[in-house]
Amino acid sequence: RKEVEQDPGPFNVPEGATVAFNCTYSNSASQSFFWYRQDCRKEPKLLMSVYSSGNEDGRFTAQLNRASQYISLLIRDSKLSDSATYLCVVISMDSNYQLIWGAGTKLIIKP
Amino acid sequence: EAGVVQSPRYKIIEKKQPVAFWCNPISGHNTLYWYLQNLGQGPELLIRYENEEAVDDSQLPKDRFSAERLKGVDSTLKIQPAELGDSAVYLCASSLRGPPSSYNEQFFGPGTRLTVL
Repeated sequence: RKEVEQDPGPFNVPEGATVAFNCTYSNSASQSFFWYRQDCRKEPKLLMSVYSSGNEDGRFTAQLNRASQYISLLIRDSKLSDSATYLCVVISMDSNYQLIWGAGTKLIIKP
Repeated sequence: EAGVVQSPRYKIIEKKQPVAFWCNPISGHNTLYWYLQNLGQGPELLIRYENEEAVDDSQLPKDRFSAERLKGVDSTLKIQPAELGDSAVYLCASSLRGPPSSYNEQFFGPGTRLTVL
């Protein structure tokens, strides 16, 4: 089993819809979590950190479920420009702060 | 403010040849990372530097890969000799100090796309 797993997609979603996807992690000692966005042939860029209490940034909501060991990303009122691959990152302090990346979930917003 | 700079952007070489990539992090960023990313996969950490010290190189294939950050600023990543399976995008990233956190964002360069023939 991979340490960090994501559904590769693609998720084909009509513009304006709400879409959510999860990222599961296997190391219960994981302490920091992030969502990154990567456009085709571009570098990853930080979308948002994931806090224990959950956090929201505009149309984006990130949540952490420690009991079930997953993080989620919810996008409301999706825009064409949201089309990208969304990567989750998990950091475990017991691995010398090793950064473990998921393979990403591809999202395609259709007009 | 300039972002993370990498060169070259693209490199095509024949197998068994050496290749080197260069990275200039954001000014003032003490931590520098080299990643490898294959198509359809997430980045895989190769090495992390704190200033000039390699604090995590556990994933670096040391038989053919080497890296240096002599003055704690620029860094080079070298492969010698390159193999067909080394074809990938090599990403450099930097952050202020230490591992990424809610207060310590990691910024990526545009990457070097390596093709080994």
